[in-house]
Amino acid sequence: NAGVTQTPKFQVLKTGQSMTLQCAQDMNHEYMSWYRQDPGMGLRLIHYSVGAGITDQGEVPNGYNVSRSTTEDFPLRLLSAAPSQTSVYFCASSYRLATSEQFFGPGTRLTVL
Amino acid sequence: ILNVEQSPQSLHVQEGDSTNFTCSFPSSNFYALHWYRWETAKSPEALFVMTLNGDEKKKGRISATLNTKEGYSYLYIKGSQPEDSATYLCAPRGSSNTGKLIFGQGTTLQVKP
Repeated sequence: NAGVTQTPKFQVLKTGQSMTLQCAQDMNHEYMSWYRQDPGMGLRLIHYSVGAGITDQGEVPNGYNVSRSTTEDFPLRLLSAAPSQTSVYFCASSYRLATSEQFFGPGTRLTVL
Repeated sequence: ILNVEQSPQSLHVQEGDSTNFTCSFPSSNFYALHWYRWETAKSPEALFVMTLNGDEKKKGRISATLNTKEGYSYLYIKGSQPEDSATYLCAPRGSSNTGKLIFGQGTTLQVKP
């Protein structure tokens, strides 16, 4: 199993550009989430999904869109990048149980100029 | 959203010292508590998932306890080693089937040789 994979690993954007961060998992996990890491703020939840076709907002959803058309994939879209979105983004997945641990991807480091 | 607070924010100890830190969360509407270990430049990894009041879990030199009635969990590290240097995150789950996992800001531990 590859686990949780994220692409790209690094990305530089200009303000106003759009892009999609890819996340895939091969563990048949129902739950998937996107987090961003900011200094002094820990991990903040952007969006999450409890299954294909179902998504919901987390703590900091503004400026980001998600969709979940398959169990395996959960892409994160930045429609118009802003410097405030410079961060490291982590995707995570778990089984549909409150006691199921989350598995994290390796992260995508995004810089918006 | 379950508000979670972790203290202290950071901790510096000498190799061989034992240490502990706290995760506080609302005692109402609680279902499970997750602890994660997050090394610099890596992805968070699960340490423990705890559900029962009085629960105690152990992994090597690291252990955790849970008090759901008063809303706190302690993480203990016995005989800290430099490789224990990391940020330790906790996250409560408020119901049995929520896909939302929101983390505290973490406690960053630095162990000096």
